[in-house]
Amino acid sequence: GNSVTQMEGPVTLSEEAFLTINCTYTATGYPSLFWYVQYPGEGLQLLLKATKADDKGSNKGFEATYRKETTSFHLEKGSVQVSDSAVYFCALRVLDNFNKFYFGSGTKLNVKP
Amino acid sequence: GAGVSQSPSNKVTEKGKDVELRCDPISGHTALYWYRQSLGQGLEFLIYFQGNSAPDKSGLPSDRFSAERTGGSVSTLTIQRTQQEDSAVYLCASSPGLAVTGETQYFGPGTRLLVL
Repeated sequence: GNSVTQMEGPVTLSEEAFLTINCTYTATGYPSLFWYVQYPGEGLQLLLKATKADDKGSNKGFEATYRKETTSFHLEKGSVQVSDSAVYFCALRVLDNFNKFYFGSGTKLNVKP
Repeated sequence: GAGVSQSPSNKVTEKGKDVELRCDPISGHTALYWYRQSLGQGLEFLIYFQGNSAPDKSGLPSDRFSAERTGGSVSTLTIQRTQQEDSAVYLCASSPGLAVTGETQYFGPGTRLLVL
């Protein structure tokens, strides 16, 4: 079936530290991959996406590379800021009969000044 | 245009009462999703509508939960005989439903439900 597994949080980092949030997936077809972010008190919004193998999605200094060989889509940022504190969700979508989105459980990031 | 809207933004109800939550998707979006997010938890898929096809109800947790989508636009999620464990944020999302790679979901702000 289709599923997404994320590293459990919370992840606590100091400002300017390097961030990695792991995400792996299983998919019955050829998925598109997404990272969504939920800032405190706000709704989910798309952070970045990638639609084919070796594609790199990037936005706001965050990057994630679609790795088909390892079925992964890890989120990285070289230098986090306090304003990056949020919950991050990895998601996939497979174009099959259902076209559903499948979300991971979310990883909470706390960045301390 | 306007994004996905949900109403009410907050709902407090007593155990055993029925509640209705409304979602207005982005105009022209044929796909509509309902999720539940309990405190500190991830997204739990509830139900998915795609155009005129029969909805995917596989995520509804019990027969107390139902949803409908009228005219392919507005959707209502109904919870009958609410229980305290139903307390959560209910999120609605829509997408164009064009079955293309990279299609993105757009989320509403959610309805925060508290069952006393």
